Amino acid sequence: GQNIDQPTEMTATEGAIVQINCTYQTSGFNGLFWYQQHAGEAPTFLSYNVLDGLEEKGRFSSFLSRSKGYSYLLLKELQMKDSASYLCAVRERSNYQLIWGAGTKLIIKP
Amino acid sequence: GAGVSQSPSNKVTEKGKDVELRCDPISGHTALYWYRQSLGQGLEFLIYFQGNSAPDKSGLPSDRFSAERTGGSVSTLTIQRTQQEDSAVYLCASRNRDTDYGYTFGSGTRLTVV
Repeated sequence: GQNIDQPTEMTATEGAIVQINCTYQTSGFNGLFWYQQHAGEAPTFLSYNVLDGLEEKGRFSSFLSRSKGYSYLLLKELQMKDSASYLCAVRERSNYQLIWGAGTKLIIKP
Repeated sequence: GAGVSQSPSNKVTEKGKDVELRCDPISGHTALYWYRQSLGQGLEFLIYFQGNSAPDKSGLPSDRFSAERTGGSVSTLTIQRTQQEDSAVYLCASRNRDTDYGYTFGSGTRLTVV
């Protein structure tokens, strides 16, 4: 079956580094997405991984291991505005549908 | 338009009434998705339109839910005889099929059934 797991909530300190993990099980993998969603707003695209390895984009990096069904989103030099929910989604090969995790609420403290 | 536009942004309706939610995707995006997001839950797939192909309706939770997309652009999601469990944020996303990524979401419609 299809399943996406990520922690419900995490807390980190401004200026620090935080890693948000996502594990998945899917019948056919065709890419993994990370989205950021501030309360009451639309999800916005952060990263896309389809091959194993690390993709770096400014303060944000995303890692994928297809053999382990595992990804993480790494946020560096945390800022208060990074307080948001971070959604992990896996795209199915068969129909290009996205299967979404419930999201990780990240709380940044001064 | 520049982004995905949804209306209304908020809708409060009485149980048993019908509601229509509108999505205006990015111009030229051939793929359009409707999702539902309940508090503390992940996005739940409802329906997917791709060009002129028959829509994928596999996510619609009951026959009270229907959607159409006219002229390959604007889409309307209709919920008939609304129930309290229909209360959620309904999100629309569009995508240019030619790119690997680029699902752009609208700001959603917050539906409250009282």
